[in-house]
Amino acid sequence: NAGVMQNPRHLVRRRGQEARLRCSPVKGHSHVYWYRQLPEEGLKFMVYLQKENIIDESGMPKERFSAEFPKEGPSILRIQQVVRGDSAAYFCASSPRQGYYGYTFGSGTRLTVV
Amino acid sequence: AQSVTQLGSHVSVSEGALVLLRCNYSSSVPPYLFWYVQYPNQGLQLLLKYTTGATLVKGINGFEAEFKKSETSFHLTKPSAHMSDAAEYFCAVSDRDSGGSNYKLTFGKGTLLTVNP
Repeated sequence: NAGVMQNPRHLVRRRGQEARLRCSPVKGHSHVYWYRQLPEEGLKFMVYLQKENIIDESGMPKERFSAEFPKEGPSILRIQQVVRGDSAAYFCASSPRQGYYGYTFGSGTRLTVV
Repeated sequence: AQSVTQLGSHVSVSEGALVLLRCNYSSSVPPYLFWYVQYPNQGLQLLLKYTTGATLVKGINGFEAEFKKSETSFHLTKPSAHMSDAAEYFCAVSDRDSGGSNYKLTFGKGTLLTVNP
């Protein structure tokens, strides 16, 4: 059974470029969560999506960041016009339902902005 | 807002020694509690969780944790450290309220465990 798959594993972008991070949930899971890990920090919640719906985006920066989970295909976290402060590890997790406690994370995408 | 405090950003033990990683939470209502492990350049793997029932929880790889409501703590222990336990460990909590944001985990800053031969 494949777990949560994220790609790319590493992504380097120049300031001002766009970054697209992909997350394929566990097969059959319709709930996806994105977290960001800044250097020497714990993970911080960004957004919770169900298929075609954003349920909670309270942790997303107000500008430049967006997320989607289409009916078909992976979830995408999109960062426009990246800045150095966006350099972090971005992790995705999935669950079969809300209230499923202790979901497991993918291996993350490490974004470096140069 | 909930917060999680992990005392000690770096803990070093000898192989075979007791591992004790501390976690305290601040919440008037006891939350759900989790420990995750992160190996270098990998994702987070769930070690164990406490939601209800017995307050001593056993997890994978010989780890266990005890929920102590009076101390608002959920410390992680392992009787005998192994070299393969070297990793970063994160304590996390989520709301107990099923109608609220119980899906949202709040993490501590992590404790890096080093195991010396």
